[in-house]
Amino acid sequence: DTEVTQTPKHLVMGMTNKKSLKCEQHMGHRAMYWYKQKAKKPPELMFVYSYEKLSINESVPSRFSPECPNSSLLNLHLHALQPEDSALYLCASSHASKRGGTDTQYFGPGTRLTVL
Amino acid sequence: AQTVTQSQPEMSVQEAETVTLSCTYDTSESDYYLFWYKQPPSRQMILVIRQEAYKQQNATENRFSVNFQKAAKSFSLKISDSQLGDAAMYFCAYRSNYGGSQGNLIFGKGTKLSVKP
Repeated sequence: DTEVTQTPKHLVMGMTNKKSLKCEQHMGHRAMYWYKQKAKKPPELMFVYSYEKLSINESVPSRFSPECPNSSLLNLHLHALQPEDSALYLCASSHASKRGGTDTQYFGPGTRLTVL
Repeated sequence: AQTVTQSQPEMSVQEAETVTLSCTYDTSESDYYLFWYKQPPSRQMILVIRQEAYKQQNATENRFSVNFQKAAKSFSLKISDSQLGDAAMYFCAYRSNYGGSQGNLIFGKGTKLSVKP
């Protein structure tokens, strides 16, 4: 089973709201990723967690706060977002080695975020 | 730095026909993976096929096959017997087999494939 689930499917929020996106996988993967995707563009990497530790932060604004509470869950906490943050947010997971290598990434269905 | 180029922003194919999507990449590394991902309008990114650089044999998954030309740094995707469900955005991606940030996926800009009934 190569399933990554994401909730919610859609989210509309105001610029003063606080919300969270959730991602879950039960494939035993130890690397998890957050991507941002604008319409008709490829995904842009935001964060990478490896063995529940943040290993890569691609200079993402602090209004995006990732969290990896355990090996199956990945959250993205949102606060004080801007309208330009409206996008599809994709989660992915893959096998990982302690030496830093990763394997094929499997993606979730995404959360469509609209910031008013 | 590695780059991935998809030179065809849009392609169209008749149902049951064959279509080939192009992808070229630039790298100085010898150990890497190449991928084709499909993203239908329903938006989930689905792995279509992957190729390890050290394997000379072209990868095949049912109606999907690749033409991997390592020296030319070319990785095209052939879809045979096209079906309406093949309509999607197709992304070519590169991943170094080294660790750290080098293991991140590098995507091309995508090719939008339409299938005509």
